[in-house]
Amino acid sequence: EAGVTQFPSHSVIEKGQTVTLRCDPISGHDNLYWYRRVMGKEIKFLLHFVKESKQDESGMPNNRFLAERTGGTYSTLKVQPAELEDSGVYFCASSRDRAYEQYFGPGTRLTVT
Amino acid sequence: GIQVEQSPPDLILQEGANSTLRCNFSDSVNNLQWFHQNPWGQLINLFYIPSGTKQNGRLSATTVATERYSLLYISSSQTTDSGVYFCAVVTGGGADGLTFGKGTHLIIQP
Repeated sequence: EAGVTQFPSHSVIEKGQTVTLRCDPISGHDNLYWYRRVMGKEIKFLLHFVKESKQDESGMPNNRFLAERTGGTYSTLKVQPAELEDSGVYFCASSRDRAYEQYFGPGTRLTVT
Repeated sequence: GIQVEQSPPDLILQEGANSTLRCNFSDSVNNLQWFHQNPWGQLINLFYIPSGTKQNGRLSATTVATERYSLLYISSSQTTDSGVYFCAVVTGGGADGLTFGKGTHLIIQP
């Protein structure tokens, strides 16, 4: 069984540009989560999809971040326009059921210069 | 929101030693996970343990939900055990995102 995959593994962009991160969850996992770790701080929750619906987006920092999960399969997280403080590692996770074990992808390291 | 505190923040041990990592949380939880972040930054699942005791090889974990803490035991440490160990919880009530502690940075010296 393939694990959670994320693309790209690294991205370097200039301030003001747009970046789109992709996450493919484990097959059959309806629950998909986005997290990020910035500037050596704790890993923070961003949002949670159940299938294609946003269940909880309380962790999204501002309206420059847009997450989608059309069709309930893979998800994208777009940052537009990117700011310096957005630099960090963005993780995606998936789980079979709510409040069940979450499995993490390898992360995307985003650097905004 | 819920607070998750891990101790110690740093731990340096010799190969072969045993260690205990602690995770305290401030509210009731319906999910608790332990992760090992390897040198490449990947989060490796160790245990899903909202309550009770589990063992997997040299690693074991115990969560006492009524007292709001969890312990991760590593026996006969190996250099490959080095890395950061995270505890993360979900409180429920409709919110399913994990809240992470700051981690314990473990270094196993040969």
